[in-house]
Amino acid sequence: DVKVTQSSRYLVKRTGEKVFLECVQDMDHENMFWYRQDPGLGLRLIYFSYDVKMKEKGDIPEGYSVSREKKERFSLILESASTNQTSMYLCASSLAGESTDTQYFGPGTRLTVL
Amino acid sequence: AQKITQTQPGMFVQEKEAVTLDCTYDTSDPSYGLFWYKQPSSGEMIFLIYQGSYDQQNATEGRYSLNFQKARKSANLVISASQLGDSAMYFCAMRELNTGNQFYFGTGTSLTVIP
Repeated sequence: DVKVTQSSRYLVKRTGEKVFLECVQDMDHENMFWYRQDPGLGLRLIYFSYDVKMKEKGDIPEGYSVSREKKERFSLILESASTNQTSMYLCASSLAGESTDTQYFGPGTRLTVL
Repeated sequence: AQKITQTQPGMFVQEKEAVTLDCTYDTSDPSYGLFWYKQPSSGEMIFLIYQGSYDQQNATEGRYSLNFQKARKSANLVISASQLGDSAMYFCAMRELNTGNQFYFGTGTSLTVIP
């Protein structure tokens, strides 16, 4: 069964802390994505990766970085968390290259920055 | 310009009735895929249905069907015989073949099924 897992469902951090959100997929997918979801704004792409050590900025990369050292793992890093990064974070993965293949999503991490 | 537009922030439907959720898209790529996802209050995104740009027939999956009107660039989701469990957020998304790595999402429609 297809699976994308995220390290935490809920996370509370303080302003200025460094935050790591981990995502692991077991489908041997080339592509992995990080989104944030806010009410009324839908899903906004932060970063995506189409291969190990490769990354592309999405629509809202400011304040975030990513790491993909292994094919199955894609990490989102908040170098210095701020209150405006309080949000739901969704990780997804997909096969590369074909327009027919859907994304598979993790359960999401609801991050609160105090 | 927005790649995916969902103009209905919220919709209500009576149980057992059909409902249509609107989605329009914008692309110049002749090859693309259109997707609908459901997100219940628990938060997980569930893939519902897919329509390819070259598909001649509208996609169907159980109670879900996609009303694909290529010339109008619309891909509306139709849910027949609504159930209480259909209450959720629904997102329309598009993937272009020539930039096949990225998905574009709409802002979503919140559907509430009334008993």
